[in-house]
Amino acid sequence: AQTVTQSQPEMSVQEAETVTLSCTYDTSESDYYLFWYKQPPSRQMILVIRQEAYKQQNATENRFSVNFQKAAKSFSLKISDSQLGDAAMYFCAYRLYNQGGKLIFGQGTELSVKP
Amino acid sequence: KAGVTQTPRYLIKTRGQQVTLSCSPISGHRSVSWYQQTPGQGLQFLFEYFSETQRNKGNFPGRFSGRQFSNSRSEMNVSTLELGDSALYLCASSSDRYGSPLHFGNGTRLTVT
Repeated sequence: AQTVTQSQPEMSVQEAETVTLSCTYDTSESDYYLFWYKQPPSRQMILVIRQEAYKQQNATENRFSVNFQKAAKSFSLKISDSQLGDAAMYFCAYRLYNQGGKLIFGQGTELSVKP
Repeated sequence: KAGVTQTPRYLIKTRGQQVTLSCSPISGHRSVSWYQQTPGQGLQFLFEYFSETQRNKGNFPGRFSGRQFSNSRSEMNVSTLELGDSALYLCASSSDRYGSPLHFGNGTRLTVT
C-alpha cells in the first residue's frame, strides 16, 4: 500500500527567508504524481505545486520549488522569500496515474512565518 | 470560472440522524472526489465519481454513500450518524481521471452531537 510521511509536524521561518518541508512516500509503482497542497485557516486546499514521476526535472512555481528524488522516494518543498501569507498547513500527496481522484495525503506540516 | 462549491458550510446533527452534503464542481469537470478530514486521522479518501459512476472507493463503512448527477454535481450521504463522523468534509473536482490536478472546495464542517 502506498503511504506518505511528513516527519515535521511544525516548522517556523522568518519572513523573507527560505524553508524546506520534507516528504517521503512509499510505492512500488512507477507512474504517479506528487503534489503539495496548502490549507490556510480558511480551510480550502490550494494546489501549490505538482510533479509527474516520469519527469526528472524538478517542478517550480514562482517562489515554490521541489526536490524530487525518485530513487529515494523523497519529495521536499522549498519556499523561498517566505511571506506572511505562506503561513498554513502544508500537505504532501501522492496519486497513482490511473487512480483518478484518489489522493493519499501525509499528516501535514504546519508552517508559521515570523515577521 | 467559479470554483468548487460545497453546501452547507456548517452542519450540526444528532447521533443517529442522516445528512446529505452537496458539491458543485468547476464547470466542465467530470470527476468529483470526497475526503474526510479529522485531527486524528488526517485526510482520508472517501470515494470518487466520474460520469455518474463510482470509480474509486476508500475504506469507509457502507453508511457513507454518494452519487453524481448528469450535470456532474455530487452529493454525499451519511446515515446513522456517529460522534466519530464529526469532521470537515472536502470535495474536489478535476477535468479528467489522469493528469489533471484536483481543485478543492471550502468544505462542510459536520458536527455530530
